Amino acid sequence: QMQLQESGPGLLKPLETLSLTCNVSGDSITTSRHYWGWIRQPPGEALEWLGAIFSTGRTLDNPSLKSRVTMSVDTSKNAFSLKLTSVTAADTARYYCARVRFSGLFYNYFDSWGQGILVSVSS
Amino acid sequence: QSALTQPASVSGSPGQSITISCTGTNSDVGGYNYVSWYQQRPGNAPKLIIYEVRSRPSGVSNRFSGSRSGNTASLTISGLQAEDEATYYCSSYSRRTTVMFGGGTKVTVL
Repeated sequence: QMQLQESGPGLLKPLETLSLTCNVSGDSITTSRHYWGWIRQPPGEALEWLGAIFSTGRTLDNPSLKSRVTMSVDTSKNAFSLKLTSVTAADTARYYCARVRFSGLFYNYFDSWGQGILVSVSS
Repeated sequence: QSALTQPASVSGSPGQSITISCTGTNSDVGGYNYVSWYQQRPGNAPKLIIYEVRSRPSGVSNRFSGSRSGNTASLTISGLQAEDEATYYCSSYSRRTTVMFGGGTKVTVL
């Protein structure tokens, strides 16, 4: 059964870098045809897509984040990671990792999600 | 401000049918068959319930159905049940940003 689990710090100070890891079980990042993505949800607000990465290291990201996002994969650990630089209070959110189905070059859907990790930014 | 427009809330009585709309443009919802819907119960992660406009993943109730007309996609829940109380999000491929979500619609069962 497919499972994803986020890990990382729950509290950051402004201007620090957020680093999260998603550990995957039940599928192999190396051999999967899926992308692996990040979505966040501020408290009481809607979902926002952050980006996605393929096992080759190819990435797609949300232009609105203006290059603050870096993603990577660690095939030896069957995990992928997110870094978000220069965080502010506006980055306070629950961060989800998910498996992403692409059809060719087109995003199709997120079919498995982690439970999410709450990250707060406060001085 | 979310790129795909959904009503903030929809309500219905048990057994009724309700429909949630998701309006975009021909650069996203109207231009590609890659519209998906997610159900998010309080405290839980979103769950995929519709993909490719009208397809249902294995295990999802056939009370959930999807459709599209022009730049507006719709999710219909028939035979509304108490367990359907949740927030529903639409999502679409976008030529501009790759992935778009709607603002979410809270469904209340009266």
